Amino acid sequence: EVLLVESGGDLVQPGGSLRLSCAASGFTFSSCWMTWVRQAPGKGLEWVANVKQGGSEKYYVDSVKGRFTISRDDAKSSLFLQMDSLRAEDTAVYYCARDMSGRGSYHAFDIWGQGTMVTVSS
Amino acid sequence: EIVLTQSPATLSLSPGERATLSCRASQSVSGYLHWYQQKPGQAPRLLIYDASNRATGIPARFSGSGSGTDFTLTISSLEPEDFAVYYCQQRLSWPLTFGGGTKVEIK
Repeated sequence: EVLLVESGGDLVQPGGSLRLSCAASGFTFSSCWMTWVRQAPGKGLEWVANVKQGGSEKYYVDSVKGRFTISRDDAKSSLFLQMDSLRAEDTAVYYCARDMSGRGSYHAFDIWGQGTMVTVSS
Repeated sequence: EIVLTQSPATLSLSPGERATLSCRASQSVSGYLHWYQQKPGQAPRLLIYDASNRATGIPARFSGSGSGTDFTLTISSLEPEDFAVYYCQQRLSWPLTFGGGTKVEIK
């Protein structure tokens, strides 16, 4: 079974840091682009960051550039999002998703985790 | 940044009816547009990629069309499980962007 499981969400104070993890199974993780997408409470979807196979290319939405870092450990089939200098507006459910780039299309997200909640509040 | 505008915001229909959802891009995205469905408390699910290609396991009642700046997601005959929020997403350029969503609710 193809599965993505996020963890690491928590309540954190403004200015704090958090590291999200996403464990992948059931597919060849090292062959796939991966992404983080977030959803603020009651709001729509917002793409956050993408990382190419091997980690050679990374892309971010402007609002998190310089504060968030996407990374991957292919040996452990894991994706990470290091979030620093957190703000109230970063409060959201964070989903990791598999990017189907190279398998019929590009940057369509065909497998999603269940999400992990990040709350930034004092 | 490419802005995607979805309309209507809410669509009230009965089971068995046809649903037509619109997504308009602020500039041409060629055919590089995807559609997702999201039900309450669940992660999104990919329905259509590159404007008109159904993702694996998606029923034939879902179809997508369009190119350039105007795209349509059509559900030919609504089933009870289709009442949800639908999002479009462009992949032409960074940053990747989503539309604001269309909620399809039971009339």
